[in-house]
Amino acid sequence: GQSLEQPSEVTAVEGAIVQINCTYQTSGFYGLSWYQQHDGGAPTFLSYNALDGLEETGRFSSFLSRSDSYGYLLLQELQMKDSASYFCAVRDPSGSARQLTFGSGTQLTVLP
Amino acid sequence: GAVVSQHPSRVICKSGTSVKIECRSLDFQATTMFWYRQFPKKSLMLMATSNEGSKATYEQGVEKDKFLINHASLTLSTLTVTSAHPEDSSFYICSAGDRGTKNIQYFGAGTRLSVL
Repeated sequence: GQSLEQPSEVTAVEGAIVQINCTYQTSGFYGLSWYQQHDGGAPTFLSYNALDGLEETGRFSSFLSRSDSYGYLLLQELQMKDSASYFCAVRDPSGSARQLTFGSGTQLTVLP
Repeated sequence: GAVVSQHPSRVICKSGTSVKIECRSLDFQATTMFWYRQFPKKSLMLMATSNEGSKATYEQGVEKDKFLINHASLTLSTLTVTSAHPEDSSFYICSAGDRGTKNIQYFGAGTRLSVL
């Protein structure tokens, strides 16, 4: 099966940089995704890495090292609105072609 | 991006009643949709995979007679919580994926079910 580990909570101040790590175990790898979910809201897609290296999208970047089964989400110039839960996810090869397995989530709190 | 609509956003019902939740893909066809349950401050727990035109695939431990799934068209899947009890109170979310290589899942806004 699949398993993903990420820290449960991270706290940082406005304007800072924060890194949320994710390690995974999967029988087949088809990329690592990141989703953001605000309290009571729907998860929204942030980024996807299929190959090693850094993908940058505005203030958010995501990194992948397949040899280490490790990735991270980097959030720069933190804003209060970034307070949310962040989930890493991998495709579940044993399920439907589009089925994802999610990590337990990291609750990010941004302080003023 | 693609839009998935989920309705209702909130429902309060009495114990023993059934509740139907709809999930629609508004601008793309989805042969597969997913239903999740989420407890406060917890991750998304996959309940079942809804397959258009065929039976849903349920995850281990999820009662298929309790959580009825119907995927009658390429844009609509429904989840019916039958004979709801207070322990069924939860946040239910659906998702559908596009056909791209990134396998992006688009989520509905979720349904907050409270069973009294």
